[in-house]
Amino acid sequence: SQQGEEDPQALSIQEGENATMNCSYKTSINNLQWYRQNSGRGLVHLILIRSNEREKHSGRLRVTLDTSKKSSSLLITASRAADTASYFCATDPKAPYGGSQGNLIFGKGTKLSVKP
Amino acid sequence: DTEVTQTPKHLVMGMTNKKSLKCEQHMGHRAMYWYKQKAKKPPELMFVYSYEKLSINESVPSRFSPECPNSSLLNLHLHALQPEDSALYLCASSPFRAGAPSYEQYFGPGTRLTVT
Repeated sequence: SQQGEEDPQALSIQEGENATMNCSYKTSINNLQWYRQNSGRGLVHLILIRSNEREKHSGRLRVTLDTSKKSSSLLITASRAADTASYFCATDPKAPYGGSQGNLIFGKGTKLSVKP
Repeated sequence: DTEVTQTPKHLVMGMTNKKSLKCEQHMGHRAMYWYKQKAKKPPELMFVYSYEKLSINESVPSRFSPECPNSSLLNLHLHALQPEDSALYLCASSPFRAGAPSYEQYFGPGTRLTVT
């Protein structure tokens, strides 16, 4: 079953602009991850943020996590045409005993289009 | 080597055929996954192997049969598939410690399967 919901479903921006994607989820998590998928290809891991972290940076990526609102955002700064892809958040749900269930739940994704 | 390889890249099969998908990784990861992805949808988890043992089966029909011959290889045997099984089949691997939070997953490029 899907847990994450990305918002917006599609986003179209010009090169150089910033892109912000949001993700909401429903249950307690160990961590939240963001992945990128170019059309018809495998997913590429971008960044992982643990449940006790609030913000994380990696290059042009900035991820925030608000566990009280069960939401996360991914910001891509100074976007490039090569950033055109679908972006998925994925949560690692906490098992009843507190550990991991051993699988990720992917959201529906945001399709980002960056125009040159 | 941080690559997950999948063969074949494309597969067309009839409903009475038997075929197999193959996945390989040499990163020493002890968790391997099969996902199914339909167009414009997120990946759906099918199976998880941890330490070569099937740990999660997401109620997948028996016409899909996974196999993990060793820690580097993962197969998906296909038999008597239906046209609605046409999809991108993704393999992934991940470091794994029982009960610990999930780590990032490394995905292969996928096998595009068409059932006629």
